[in-house]
Amino acid sequence: QVRLVESGGGVVRPGTSLRLSCAASGFVFNTYGMHWVRQAPGKGLEWLAVVSYAGNTDFYADSVRGRFSISKDNSKSTMYLQLNGLTKDDTAVYYCARTGAQWRMIDLIDSWGQGTLVTVSS
Amino acid sequence: QSVLSQPPSTSGTPGQRVTMSCSGSDSNIGSNYVYWYQQRPGAAPELRISRNNQRPSGVPDRFSGSKSGTSASLDINGLRSEDEGEYYCAVWDDSLKGAVFGGGTMLTVL
Repeated sequence: QVRLVESGGGVVRPGTSLRLSCAASGFVFNTYGMHWVRQAPGKGLEWLAVVSYAGNTDFYADSVRGRFSISKDNSKSTMYLQLNGLTKDDTAVYYCARTGAQWRMIDLIDSWGQGTLVTVSS
Repeated sequence: QSVLSQPPSTSGTPGQRVTMSCSGSDSNIGSNYVYWYQQRPGAAPELRISRNNQRPSGVPDRFSGSKSGTSASLDINGLRSEDEGEYYCAVWDDSLKGAVFGGGTMLTVL
């Protein structure tokens, strides 16, 4: 079955950077686009970014474009999210997720990881 | 303020039917597939309906989805206590070139 495991979260200072990882298994990773979604404490889901199955095309939410960068390494079945210039507003659980159809990156999500918590605090 | 509008809450008693709505625009719901997710407290979201009305394997047939124009709905028949949680609609937006989530509807089973 599909398994997505996020890592890399933690407590960081404002202005610093962090890289989150998502290790995937149970499916053919290089045929699926992948998303990152976050959820601030007590808030709803916020879509952040998507990367194509080949890793050569990406799209971002306006709130993170230019600060966050999504990528995937198909040889390692792993996706990444580079977070730069972190602020307290970036405090959230970050979820890794798989698109609902092979080859299509604009399909929404059919599988989710359990999330990794990023806390930005001075 | 989300691009997709969902009522903040709804409720029902066991066995009842509830309907949740999701309102968008031509560039999102009007053009692309709608997905629905349930999120229980402290847990990751789970897919309940994909591509407007497709029920994934393992999701009870009490769940159904529909779309008309720029609005979509999620119906739950025969309400059960385990159906409690926050429900989010989501869709790709062609104008934003990104995915969008609704603000969520909290379902309480009385």
